[in-house]
Amino acid sequence: GAGVSQSPSNKVTEKGKDVELRCDPISGHTALYWYRQSLGQGLEFLIYFQGNSAPDKSGLPSDRFSAERTGGSVSTLTIQRTQQEDSAVYLCASSGRTDTQYFGPGTRLTVL
Amino acid sequence: QQPVQSPQAVILREGEDAVINCSSSKALYSVHWYRQKHGEAPVFLMILLKGGEQKGHEKISASFNEKKQQSSLYLTASQLSYSGTYFCGHAGGTSYGKLTFGQGTILTVHP
Repeated sequence: GAGVSQSPSNKVTEKGKDVELRCDPISGHTALYWYRQSLGQGLEFLIYFQGNSAPDKSGLPSDRFSAERTGGSVSTLTIQRTQQEDSAVYLCASSGRTDTQYFGPGTRLTVL
Repeated sequence: QQPVQSPQAVILREGEDAVINCSSSKALYSVHWYRQKHGEAPVFLMILLKGGEQKGHEKISASFNEKKQQSSLYLTASQLSYSGTYFCGHAGGTSYGKLTFGQGTILTVHP
């Protein structure tokens, strides 16, 4: 595709429910990143996939957060038992040979 | 560790210049600059890989002093379209593709 796509664009859920956020990277990009941006804040790194290597999960805030990348392409970020503090925009980015990260439009998650 | 950006906010009139600084306490492999407009995703501006390297993109340029672990973004003759939040991100260590971003600098350009 032309760029990174994410779905859904908006997600409203109730506290305690699980949510899944999807990211489709740019075709051919081997690296995929997830970030979180709370209102008016910077970009907080969550997790990084590079090819077939073990992902760098050092940014995941708790064990309620997990992510997988199937077939080296699409990635899903799962948040279990959502809390109100999980409300944020979740951004996905991908990069190819140049390390330049191209961001998707994000998923705005609201936990009521 | 998160890089530190300064200033936190800048207000300009069209045509004025601005400098945004980004400092890190760790050895850097590269520095990346992004601009984010309200409600939109961050957009890549430029990446700097070498100490002392300077790159340009129209009237926006940047320098990277590897020894000082510092990068600066220069915006000259600012335009209304330059308004947004500017983030620097640094990569270093073994996960060189992973970026740690600064807290952002809000730039507002008025007519």
